[in-house]
Amino acid sequence: SAVISQKPSRDICQRGTSLTIQCQVDSQVTMMFWYRQQPGQSLTLIATANQGSEATYESGFVIDKFPISRPNLTFSTLTVSNMSPEDSSIYLCSVKGGNTEAFFGQGTRLTVV
Amino acid sequence: GEDVEQSLFLSVREGDSSVINCTYTDSSSTYLYWYKQEPGAGLQLLTYIFSNMDMKQDQRLTVLLNKKDKHLSLRIADTQTGDSAIYFCAESINDYKLSFGAGTTVTVRA
Repeated sequence: SAVISQKPSRDICQRGTSLTIQCQVDSQVTMMFWYRQQPGQSLTLIATANQGSEATYESGFVIDKFPISRPNLTFSTLTVSNMSPEDSSIYLCSVKGGNTEAFFGQGTRLTVV
Repeated sequence: GEDVEQSLFLSVREGDSSVINCTYTDSSSTYLYWYKQEPGAGLQLLTYIFSNMDMKQDQRLTVLLNKKDKHLSLRIADTQTGDSAIYFCAESINDYKLSFGAGTTVTVRA
C-alpha cells in the first residue's frame, strides 16, 4: 500500500486569498489525483496530475482556479486560488497502486471565511 | 455514464450484520471499491473486487458483485461500534479515475 501525507491537515482562510496543499507519497507513482469533497457530499475528481505534463482537469474545474504542480513522481501540489466560502471543502490527494488499489491521503479540511 | 447510487443511511444493532448496497452504471468498470470514512478523517480503502469476480471475502467483510444487474454490496459481519462511519462505493472509470456514490452513513447502536 502507499502512504500519502497531506499538508496542511486543515486551514481557515480569508476569502480572496490562495492556499497551496501539498501531497507526498512514500513511493513513486505515475498518476496522482486531486478530489474535492464538499460538506455532506461525495467525492468529485478535480484533476489528474502526471509528472512531466500538464494536469488534466475534469468538467467544471479550470487551471486558473486550481493550478496543480507535479515536479516529480512522489510529490504534487494543488492550489485553491482566489478563495470564496463555496470553496470550503475537504481536498484529498489520491494515487493508484499498480492497476488496482486507489489510496487516499487524510485530506485537507479548508474553511473559507 | 458515471452514476453510482447508494442508500444514505443504515442503522444496525451491535453484533448484527450490516449490508450496504450500491448500484453503478458503467458496465466497463474493471474494479469496484469500498471505502470507509470516519468523522474528520480521510478515506480508508476497505476492499475492492475485480469485475470478473462475484464474491470476495476478507475477514469480517464480504463483497458481492452482480455484474448483470450492476449491483455491489458490502456485508460487515458482527458489526461493532468502531464500524460507525460513512461507507463509499466507487467504480473505476477508464482504469484510472474513480466515480463515487454519495456514501452510506452507518450507525451502530448498542
